[in-house]
Amino acid sequence: QMEMQESGPGLAKPSETLSLTCTVSGGSINTRSYYWGWIRQPPGKGLEWIGNYYFGGSTDYNPSLMGRVTISADTSKNQLSLSLNYVTDTDTATYYCVRAKGCYVEYLGVVTLSACHMDVWGKGTPVIVSS
Amino acid sequence: EIVLTQSPGTLSLSPGERATLSCTTSQRLVSTYLAWYQQKAGQAPRLLIYDASTRATGIPDRFRGSGSGSDFTLTITRLEPEDFAVYYCHQYGRSPRTFGQGTKVEIK
Repeated sequence: QMEMQESGPGLAKPSETLSLTCTVSGGSINTRSYYWGWIRQPPGKGLEWIGNYYFGGSTDYNPSLMGRVTISADTSKNQLSLSLNYVTDTDTATYYCVRAKGCYVEYLGVVTLSACHMDVWGKGTPVIVSS
Repeated sequence: EIVLTQSPGTLSLSPGERATLSCTTSQRLVSTYLAWYQQKAGQAPRLLIYDASTRATGIPDRFRGSGSGSDFTLTITRLEPEDFAVYYCHQYGRSPRTFGQGTKVEIK
């Protein structure tokens, strides 16, 4: 059974770079069948998609993060990483790593492989941004 | 960006009752690229339904998803005590992926 475990500093200062790691066990992240991503949830609020990583290094990010985010993977360690630059208090949230099933999505007549429903979630790691 | 609007915000029901949760998308989804998640307090979300109507592995059949286009519904046919939680819909047909704001199902 696959498990995902987030880790990283629970506290970051404004304008710093937040770095989180997700260690995956029970299966390899080096697969064409799944995407790997990050979701966050501010205290008492809803879920926000941050971005996805796919086999070979392709990525897709939420434009709302304005180029501050990078998702990468170390396949030798079976780990996924998140880097978020220039954090502010609005980045305070619980951060979840997720596995998303790869599936074919059709739009305007074009079919592409895409990240679909998220079937495995880590327990989440809380991050507070404060000086 | 496709905006998902869930209603009602809170649903107050008793165990054994039927719950009907709605999710409306700001743009029509070409196909049924919609999922539902359940989140209990202090826990990560859990996948319930994907492709609008397919139950995820291990999900009881009292959870039923339906809908297409812009209107989707999650029905819990008979609420069990463990079903009181927050439910989110999520579209994955277009990037950026987006979520609804959630519906809280609470004990009346």
